[in-house]
Amino acid sequence: KAGVTQTPRYLIKTRGQQVTLSCSPISGHRSVSWYQQTPGQGLQFLFEYFSETQRNKGNFPGRFSGRQFSNSRSEMNVSTLELGDSALYLCASSFGSGGTDTQYFGPGTRLTVL
Amino acid sequence: QKEVEQDPGPLSVPEGAIVSLNCTYSNSAFQYFMWYRQYSRKGPELLMYTYSSGNKEDGRFTAQVDKSSKYISLFIRDSQPSDSATYLCAMTTRGPGSQGNLIFGKGTKLSVKP
Repeated sequence: KAGVTQTPRYLIKTRGQQVTLSCSPISGHRSVSWYQQTPGQGLQFLFEYFSETQRNKGNFPGRFSGRQFSNSRSEMNVSTLELGDSALYLCASSFGSGGTDTQYFGPGTRLTVL
Repeated sequence: QKEVEQDPGPLSVPEGAIVSLNCTYSNSAFQYFMWYRQYSRKGPELLMYTYSSGNKEDGRFTAQVDKSSKYISLFIRDSQPSDSATYLCAMTTRGPGSQGNLIFGKGTKLSVKP
């Protein structure tokens, strides 16, 4: 079974631009979560989508948004990029939402904002 | 005080050594405790999870939880160069699939030298 895939793997943008990241979950998984990982803050939860509905949201500004499609693929958008948005963005999928379902992480998208 | 504290290392040990990785936490409501391993340029993968206090063993890995001290540990016996990675602890009041409720440590970078 193929793992979680994320595209692109690397991205360089300049301040003020916007960016869209894509995540394809493991086949059959309906929950997709997004995380931001930085050396200073570690791994922080952005949001979770389950069956096209946002279920949980972390403490990030409204510039960070996402959506999920009917095939469970998800996209994350960051508008008006800031230098501090430079990070590894990880997507994780699981069969269900919450409980003991294991999350499987993708390799991440490395975003650099110049 | 951060909810979860983890020494970032780096930790360098010779092959065959016993490795001890630790996290402390402040929220006594945490019930599920997890350890993730993250190789360079990869997403985290779940190694083990433990519910409440006690020990759990899986091959060369042992996870320990001491809720009275708010302290968790991961021991790696007979460490191998392939164990070189960053190890992140995570905890939640719900199950390991509780996206949005998982609080991660910043990770400890481990290097096992041949």
